[in-house]
Amino acid sequence: DGGITQSPKYLFRKEGQNVTLSCEQNLNHDAMYWYRQDPGQGLRLIYYSQIVNDFQKGDIAEGYSVSREKKESFPLTVTSAQKNPTAFYLCASSVPTGSNYGYTFGSGTRLTVV
Amino acid sequence: KNEVEQSPQNLTAQEGEFITINCSYSVGISALHWLQQHPGGGIVSLFMLSSGKKKHGRLIATINIQEKHSSLHITASHPRDSAVYICAVANFGNEKLTFGTGTRLTIIP
Repeated sequence: DGGITQSPKYLFRKEGQNVTLSCEQNLNHDAMYWYRQDPGQGLRLIYYSQIVNDFQKGDIAEGYSVSREKKESFPLTVTSAQKNPTAFYLCASSVPTGSNYGYTFGSGTRLTVV
Repeated sequence: KNEVEQSPQNLTAQEGEFITINCSYSVGISALHWLQQHPGGGIVSLFMLSSGKKKHGRLIATINIQEKHSSLHITASHPRDSAVYICAVANFGNEKLTFGTGTRLTIIP
């Protein structure tokens, strides 16, 4: 079945270390997104990519980096510059549906800094 | 930037009750999404609306474009409906979404 796979489900990182979260989709969607979810807040956009080899910063890009070398893959690196990285991270993709866009979400990665 | 507000933040009901979750937004949109997030964290898309009403099983979603308001209804609620329900809107010409903070629904057997 088509969908989005995020790995790992849980991730622990020591302060000062970079860590990369994986997001893979087999839906043939052009656009992919990374969101961060914190308790009591709506999902916030970190980065998005509308096409291979191109990506744009979202609302909270500082301390994060991404790449989009393949259509299927959109990995997110949480760098040591991110001040408060402990959060739940969700990857999504979208495809045009009529005049709007239909979204598919992954199951998320919970990152904890120890 | 669109502001999205959901109410209530938390809702507890008995099995079988009719459930209503509300979503209001501040700026005109091209589409509104209702999403369901289970305790494990993964999100499932329930509906995408740009006008009127949609129904899928026991779930019904309505939108009033003039009043900038949408509701999600669950009929004959069941404990397996317990989840966080999230409203998200897409502005015209922009595929990016703005999310509400979610409504945590708990259905007691």
